[in-house]
Amino acid sequence: SQKIEQNSEALNIQEGKTATLTCNYTNYSPAYLQWYRQDPGRGPVFLLLIRENEKEKRKERLKVTFDTTLKQSLFHITASQPADSATYLCALDGSRGYQKVTFGTGTKLQVIP
Amino acid sequence: GAGVSQSPRYKVAKRGQDVALRCDPISGHVSLFWYQQALGQGPEFLTYFQNEAQLDKSGLPSDRFFAERPEGSVSTLKIQRTQQEDSAVYLCASSIQGGGGAGYTFGSGTRLTVV
Repeated sequence: SQKIEQNSEALNIQEGKTATLTCNYTNYSPAYLQWYRQDPGRGPVFLLLIRENEKEKRKERLKVTFDTTLKQSLFHITASQPADSATYLCALDGSRGYQKVTFGTGTKLQVIP
Repeated sequence: GAGVSQSPRYKVAKRGQDVALRCDPISGHVSLFWYQQALGQGPEFLTYFQNEAQLDKSGLPSDRFFAERPEGSVSTLKIQRTQQEDSAVYLCASSIQGGGGAGYTFGSGTRLTVV
C-alpha cells in the first residue's frame, strides 16, 4: 500500500542549530515533492517544491533534497529560530497524471531559545 | 482576492443536521481541492475541481458528502445528516494548475464539531 512517513515524534532543537526533517514514501513515483508549514489553527503554507530530476533546492535558510532511489526527502532549516516552530508537512503527487497531492502526517518542530 | 477564504471559521452542528462549508479561492486559480484534517494528522484528500468540473471525488467518505463549484470559482462542501465522525477541520486549497507542479494556497479551514 502507499505510504508517506514523517517522524511522528516532535523534534526539539536548540536555536541556531540546523533542523533536519525526514519524509519517506513507498509505492509512489512522484514527479514532484512539496513541503508545507502549518501553525496551530491555520491552513498549511507552501514552502518549497522539488522535481524528481532535481537533487536539491534552496530558499533562504531552507534546503530540500530529493532522492528517488531511496524514496526520501530531507528538509533542512539552517540557523533555526524560535519562529520556525511549527508542524512541517511533506506532500507528493501519486504519479504522472494525478491531479492531487497526498500529505504525510507532519513533524512538529520546536526550536528552543 | 489575496488569499483563499473559507467560511464559517467554526461550525457546531447537532448530529443529523446538514451543513454547508464555503470556499472562495484565489481569482484565476483553475484547480480547487477540499481536504479533511483530523487532529494530529495530515490533510486527507476529499475532492478536486478543475474549473467547474469535479474530476476526482474519490476521497469523499460517503454519499452524505457532496461538493460543487458551479461557476468555476466559489465552491461549497455539503455534508448531510452529520455524524460525530465528521468532526474535523475542512481545508480548501486552490492552485494555478493541477497536479503537484505548483504549490497549493490553503484557506484557514472550517472547524466542524458535531455534537
